[in-house]
Amino acid sequence: NAGVIQTPRHKVTGKGQEATLWCEPISGHSAVFWYRQTIVQGLEFLTYFRNQAPIDDSGMPKERFSAQMPNQSHSTLKIQSTQPQDSAVYLCASSLLGEVFFGKGTRLTVV
Amino acid sequence: GDSVTQTEGQVALSEEDFLTIHCNYSASGYPALFWYVQYPGEGPQFLFRASRDKEKGSSRGFEATYNKEATSFHLQKASVQESDSAVYYCALTYGGSGNKLIFGTGTLLSVKP
Repeated sequence: NAGVIQTPRHKVTGKGQEATLWCEPISGHSAVFWYRQTIVQGLEFLTYFRNQAPIDDSGMPKERFSAQMPNQSHSTLKIQSTQPQDSAVYLCASSLLGEVFFGKGTRLTVV
Repeated sequence: GDSVTQTEGQVALSEEDFLTIHCNYSASGYPALFWYVQYPGEGPQFLFRASRDKEKGSSRGFEATYNKEATSFHLQKASVQESDSAVYYCALTYGGSGNKLIFGTGTLLSVKP
């Protein structure tokens, strides 16, 4: 069990460019979550899926951010027209029963 | 909305010291409470949980007791080690598994040998 896999681990984008972050949840886990982590805001919930269906996206910025889960083996978080304030570590997590397992995160730097 | 408050932003101890990290929550319902630990370059790792009043959760020498009256879930360890140095997060969720976690701001624990 390799755990939750996130790629890339580090990504640098220019202001205004698009960034796509990938997540492979643990096989068999029915819930997939996305969080954002910054020094100032800490760990912020963005969105989550259960059995591939979007359940709660209350933490997602209304513009520029979108998340998809086209199949049970991966999810993507896309940020359009990236801005410096989008710089953060984006964490993906999956869960089956009770315990939530996090990936190592993708560090996004917008320059 | 629901929230979790961790009083200490940083805690500095020496090995074998007693640890307490305070966690209080504000919730409209009856949440499950968690402690997570995060090491540099890693995502948060589940430490333990408690789901009902007066239940004690524990793992690796750490423990916390759900106190509904005081809305608290304070983390304690009798004797810390240098390897315990990490960031600790208190969190809550509703409805058991498969629901979003609401995290506190985290507490950086530094333990000197």
